[in-house]
Amino acid sequence: EAGVAQSPRYKIIEKRQSVAFWCNPISGHATLYWYQQILGQGPKLLIQFQNNGVVDDSQLPKDRFSAERLKGVDSTLKIQPAKLEDSAVYLCASSLNAGLAGDTQYFGPGTRLTVL
Amino acid sequence: DQQVKQNSPSLSVQEGRISILNCDYTNSMFDYFLWYKKYPAEGPTFLISISSIKDKNEDGRFTVFLNKSAKHLSLHIVPSQPGDSAVYFCAASLSQAGTALIFGKGTTLSVSS
Repeated sequence: EAGVAQSPRYKIIEKRQSVAFWCNPISGHATLYWYQQILGQGPKLLIQFQNNGVVDDSQLPKDRFSAERLKGVDSTLKIQPAKLEDSAVYLCASSLNAGLAGDTQYFGPGTRLTVL
Repeated sequence: DQQVKQNSPSLSVQEGRISILNCDYTNSMFDYFLWYKKYPAEGPTFLISISSIKDKNEDGRFTVFLNKSAKHLSLHIVPSQPGDSAVYFCAASLSQAGTALIFGKGTTLSVSS
């Protein structure tokens, strides 16, 4: 079974530029998550989708971050404009159901973003 | 305010010995706890979990213990192997639909041969 795919793996941009990340979850997984992991910290949830609807985006900085999952499968996360503090690894995860107990989240390899 | 705390940034253990990784939480509403393992340049991988109705869950060399009164859980790895060297994240959640995992900062385990 193929895992969660993410691209690009690495991205370097200058501040105020825009950037987009792509995620393809495990086939059949209804729930998709985007996490931000700053160096030395644990992953922090940015947004959670159930199929193509948003379940939780309370920690997404909506003035600069946006995400979509139009057909309930792939998802993109965009940052515009980027700030220095956005430098982090952006992890995508998917799970079969909506975060129910025992519903394991499977993570992709992440995209490492460096903002100069 | 950190709701899940891993106070030891690193742990070094010899091969064959026991590794004990600790985690504390502050939110008494958490009722489901997980451990993830992460190798460099890879995403976290699910290792083991425990529901708040249990105080122990075992899977091969890995055992998780939960002490609800102390809001503390620990992961025991016996025997430790060099391939266990990784960053271990403790995570907690509420067992209801739509809730996220709250992660600790992680503990880097180094197992020497």
